[in-house]
Amino acid sequence: DTEVTQTPKHLVMGMTNKKSLKCEQHMGHRAMYWYKQKAKKPPELMFVYSYEKLSINESVPSRFSPECPNSSLLNLHLHALQPEDSALYLCASSQDQNTDTQYFGPGTRLTVL
Amino acid sequence: GESVGLHLPTLSVQEGDNSIINCAYSNSASDYFIWYKQESGKGPQFIIDIRSNMDKRQGQRVTVLLNKTVKHLSLQIAATQPGDSAVYFCAENNAGGGNKLTFGTGTQLKVEL
Repeated sequence: DTEVTQTPKHLVMGMTNKKSLKCEQHMGHRAMYWYKQKAKKPPELMFVYSYEKLSINESVPSRFSPECPNSSLLNLHLHALQPEDSALYLCASSQDQNTDTQYFGPGTRLTVL
Repeated sequence: GESVGLHLPTLSVQEGDNSIINCAYSNSASDYFIWYKQESGKGPQFIIDIRSNMDKRQGQRVTVLLNKTVKHLSLQIAATQPGDSAVYFCAENNAGGGNKLTFGTGTQLKVEL
């Protein structure tokens, strides 16, 4: 089973709202990732967690706050977003943070009004 | 007018023909390469990978070729089917980069009946 699940599938929020995106995997993977993808563009890495610790932050604005409560879950907390943050947010996981295949979830389509 | 970068390169093939999707990568230190397929509204799906110590790898109906001399990667799909219609991304992974994937710009494959 190479399934990564994400909720919600769609999210519409105002610029003053606080919301969270959730990602879950039960493959025993110890590395998890958040990517942002704009229309007709490739995914861009935002954060990497390795063994539940933040390993890489690609200079993402603080209005995006990741959290890894346990080895199976990854959250992305959103606050005071801008309309340009509207995008598909993808979660991925891999066995570990060594060179290894990343498996992606279906994404959350976020619209910021 | 239309903005630069909103149009993906497109490859149109007839059903049953072979498809070849090309990708140029930038980092000569990259040692792991992956092809992903992304259908509309879905997350990227792993297709096939290849490590830099190989120049060819075959899967079911797909073959990846790696030419390290010219930093070129290709994906060949045999007997292309309508279900192969999607955007295809190559991704490169630099072993020293903490499993950070750098994606290519993507190619839209359209299968005509």
